[in-house]
Amino acid sequence: DQQVKQNSPSLSVQEGRISILNCDYTNSMFDYFLWYKKYPAEGPTFLISISSIKDKNEDGRFTVFLNKSAKHLSLHIVPSQPGDSAVYFCAGSGGTSYGKLTFGQGTILTVHP
Amino acid sequence: EPEVTQTPSHQVTQMGQEVILRCVPISNHLYFYWYRQILGQKVEFLVSFYNNEISEKSEIFDDQFSVERPDGSNFTLKIRSTKLEDSAMYFCASSASRSSYTFGSGTRLTVV
Repeated sequence: DQQVKQNSPSLSVQEGRISILNCDYTNSMFDYFLWYKKYPAEGPTFLISISSIKDKNEDGRFTVFLNKSAKHLSLHIVPSQPGDSAVYFCAGSGGTSYGKLTFGQGTILTVHP
Repeated sequence: EPEVTQTPSHQVTQMGQEVILRCVPISNHLYFYWYRQILGQKVEFLVSFYNNEISEKSEIFDDQFSVERPDGSNFTLKIRSTKLEDSAMYFCASSASRSSYTFGSGTRLTVV
């Protein structure tokens, strides 16, 4: 079941630069997308979400872009900070499944000082 | 900030034994979920619970699994007869809406 894919297992970025994390989905019933950050041995922490009626949502340093025609979303972190180093998951939900989230495999982000 | 609380943080059990994982969701949330993450794999949905009944479950959630909300605050996941492949991090989550979806810090289940 590869409904949500994060094709980059890892990303390395210099502090202060932009981090761009990508996510593709195949389920056209998804109408809500979320990004989570996860540290080892902790639960996922919600970062930002976007509804399919929008193409951009911004919250502080985090911006999520949604391209519905391409079934693609991305998370931009500007400026990146060493504390942003974690695993980032995108997740989709929608259709008949109200709250069920389908996660991607995750991308390990490392921000170097 | 409100939290979802899970206990225990780590549980070791013998194969074939029953385990109960406990969760206290955020008090005004109405939807409750269990997910799991096997080491090195993605986070997978197990079950969702609303209005005192299961609203959806995955293929993983077979007859060995059950959920219960025994009182107004707790939400439990029971695995009747654990198998080695049940070893994973189990996450409880609760939500009031699609944008307020909060996860607990997880229970690491090790089946030996």
